[in-house]
Amino acid sequence: NAGVTQTPKFQVLKTGQSMTLQCAQDMNHEYMSWYRQDPGMGLRLIHYSVGAGITDQGEVPNGYNVSRSTTEDFPLRLLSAAPSQTSVYFCASRPRDLGYTFGSGTRLTVV
Amino acid sequence: RKEVEQDPGPFNVPEGATVAFNCTYSNSASQSFFWYRQDCRKEPKLLMSVYSSGNEDGRFTAQLNRASQYISLLIRDSKLSDSATYLCVVNMNTGFQKLVFGTGTRLLVSP
Repeated sequence: NAGVTQTPKFQVLKTGQSMTLQCAQDMNHEYMSWYRQDPGMGLRLIHYSVGAGITDQGEVPNGYNVSRSTTEDFPLRLLSAAPSQTSVYFCASRPRDLGYTFGSGTRLTVV
Repeated sequence: RKEVEQDPGPFNVPEGATVAFNCTYSNSASQSFFWYRQDCRKEPKLLMSVYSSGNEDGRFTAQLNRASQYISLLIRDSKLSDSATYLCVVNMNTGFQKLVFGTGTRLLVSP
């Protein structure tokens, strides 16, 4: 099992550009989430999904879209990148009652 | 009041020492709890779940105090490799069973 695979690992964007962060898991987990981590602020939930076709907003959803067409994949789309979106992004998946397995993260810089 | 609070530290301890971290949570209906470890510039990794009766995994002991709404992590015989940030995670037991992360406690173990 590969676990949770995130791509790319690093990305630099110009303000206004769009891009998609990819996330895939091979553990057949129901729940998947995207977090961003900024210094001193901990992990903040962007969007989450409780199954294929079902997504919802977390605490910081503005500027991001998600979709979940399959159990395995949960891409995060930045619509129009802003410097405030410079962060480390983690995708995570879990079964219903257990803890998360995280991907290795994407370090995004918006200039 | 924050949903999950941790002392950010750092806790500086010598090798071989015993160190304990506490984490308080606000939602008395929370049902499941976890400790994660995060190394610098890496993803969080599940260290252990926390059970009502307390549980131990080698040098690590986790305890839950529902009356006072806190969980604790005790590390005995600290190793240099234990240096990391320890994240407390609480399942808020809402419809999505939202997992809320504390901002972490940093541990530095010195020779």
